[in-house]
Order: sequence, then structure tokens, then C-alpha cells
Amino acid sequence: IVLTQSPGTLSLSPGERATLSCRASQSVRRTYLAWYQQKPGQAPRLLIYGASSRATGIPDRFSGSGSGTDFSLTISRLEPEDFALYYCQHYDSSPITFGQGTRLEIK
Amino acid sequence: QLLESGGGLVQPGGSLRLSCAASGFTFSTYAMTWVRQAPGKGLEWVSAVSASGESTYYADSVKGRFTISRDNSNNTLYLQLNHLRADDTALYFCAKSPLGVDYGWFDPWGQGTLVTVSS
Repeated sequence: IVLTQSPGTLSLSPGERATLSCRASQSVRRTYLAWYQQKPGQAPRLLIYGASSRATGIPDRFSGSGSGTDFSLTISRLEPEDFALYYCQHYDSSPITFGQGTRLEIK
Repeated sequence: QLLESGGGLVQPGGSLRLSCAASGFTFSTYAMTWVRQAPGKGLEWVSAVSASGESTYYADSVKGRFTISRDNSNNTLYLQLNHLRADDTALYFCAKSPLGVDYGWFDPWGQGTLVTVSS
């Protein structure tokens, strides 16, 4: 399964709403999709699993949705610490794949 | 907590063994995985192993060259890297899978160990 994320770069201001897209080349069964945030020099951090379940400790401004081939991550009101790289990942079957990433940058 | 080690500089065609020491959870009940990230690039899943170690999974790019294993008595995950190529140069992360599945989502991740393949 190939995951294509869009846009490649998203330029927004703090307080704005961000919507990141992840499209799969074939249907992802049972919403087996996760989202991660990665900041420079750090390991990725799990945000969302099961397409819409927030991981422990993740603020409720982060939400995930979608099914089948189209998924999205929404950050309702951007905080300065949210500007980072974001990756989607499917775990439908092996081989597991990640999207190429969306860079969320400060406008 | 996950702590990787074993990275370094190796010549093309060479070998390396990476380790991931786990603590703070019952290691033997969770599948584990390796993910790598080439400099300035995205994430690439490499390999996974079931909780018991009986089932293993590999990306096509490393199949036949890399071997994943685990020692549940010592809470350690391994990745044996053979026939290394320049495009294997990356930061290698280990990560824990959720309970009851062989891969799933990954949480937490270690900080990574850097493998550089160069002559």
C-alpha cells in the first residue's frame, strides 16, 4: 500500500486550523492507520491510531478521521509547538509503509 | 523506554548488529519493530518480530540481508545488518507495537542509532 500525503508543505499561522491528508493506493482495512509527529533531532511521536483514536497524552486539538483510502489529520488551533513534520502509516498488512510526510511550517 | 546501540561507520559489504534495550514494560509480551530514516528523508519501516520471536517480517529492500531477533530473557531486540550498501545509511529506530499484534502502530520509539555505510 502506497501512502501519499498532501500537501508537501503547509504554511499556516498559530491559531489557524490545519488539515493534512493521507491517501492510500488501496483500501486500508479496519482503519488501520496511524499519524506521527516528528520534530528536528527527535524520534517520531504517536498522535493517532485506528485513524481516529488519540494516543495517551495527545491534546484534543489533534483529531483524525477517514476510512478506506482517504484519511486526514486535523489540528484545530495551531500552537507554536505543533510546527513539525507529520507522517501517516498504515498497518493493514506487511509491508508496513509510511507516507512521505507533510511539513507544517509557520507562515 | 527503548535504547538503541551498535551503530557506526562500516564499509560497503560489511556487517553490523544493532541492539535495542527495553525497560519499563513486559518486553516478552509485545512485538517490536525497526524503522529507519535516511538523512533528511522520511520514515521507512524495516522489520518486525512477534512477541515470541517466532514470526518475522521484512521490507523488500532488506529481505535476505537483515535479520531481526530478540532475547526475551534479556529484554533486548536485535537487528543484524549484512551486505550493507550506501543506501542503508540511516538513523535506525526501534519501536514497540501494541499488545496482541505483530506490528500495528508504534509507541514508544527509541532515540535511534546511526549507521553510516561508506568507504
